Amino acid sequence: RKEVEQDPGPFNVPEGATVAFNCTYSNSASQSFFWYRQDCRKEPKLLMSVYSSGNEDGRFTAQLNRASQYISLLIRDSKLSDSATYLCVVNINSQFYFGTGTSLTVIP
Amino acid sequence: DADVTQTPRNRITKTGKRIMLECSQTKGHDRMYWYRQDPGLGLRLIYYSFDVKDINKGEISDGYSVSRQAQAKFSLSLESAIPNQTALYFCATSDSGQGLYTQYFGPGTRLLVL
Repeated sequence: RKEVEQDPGPFNVPEGATVAFNCTYSNSASQSFFWYRQDCRKEPKLLMSVYSSGNEDGRFTAQLNRASQYISLLIRDSKLSDSATYLCVVNINSQFYFGTGTSLTVIP
Repeated sequence: DADVTQTPRNRITKTGKRIMLECSQTKGHDRMYWYRQDPGLGLRLIYYSFDVKDINKGEISDGYSVSRQAQAKFSLSLESAIPNQTALYFCATSDSGQGLYTQYFGPGTRLLVL
């Protein structure tokens, strides 16, 4: 069983739309949570950490539900530049486990 | 200058050859990691090191070895390359402080084994 599971998509949305991604994790001992963004053939880059109380950074909102063991990312007012693959990442005992990523394409 | 660098950026080699991928960092982080990325499989951990004297196997260490020559350098070797080791390889670092410590990635090495 994979530690982290994501819907691979692809999600194709028009500019200005709101889109949400979910991610589930299997290990209840998971300690910290992140969303990374990866552009085609480039390295992953941290988008935002996910806090227990939920957190927002501009158009991006991340939520954590420990009881149900899922993490979400909401993107409002999508921009063309948001097109990328979004990776859900979980840290367990100092090791990082990556989901396979969800592909987003924002269409003009 | 980039905080995490990898050399080479691209490499084509033949089955059975030994190759080394190198990673250097200027972030001063104790922890370093090697991953490979394959389409549909995401990033998978090969080896990781929490300091110069610490080396740990990851999920898919078979066929690979590593060397932590200094805090800033972590090398990955393929002793005898095989075609299914064709992949995109990333080095990453993280600090070891308390709280939500994150990973920083190098630009990747594209390896093709013929």
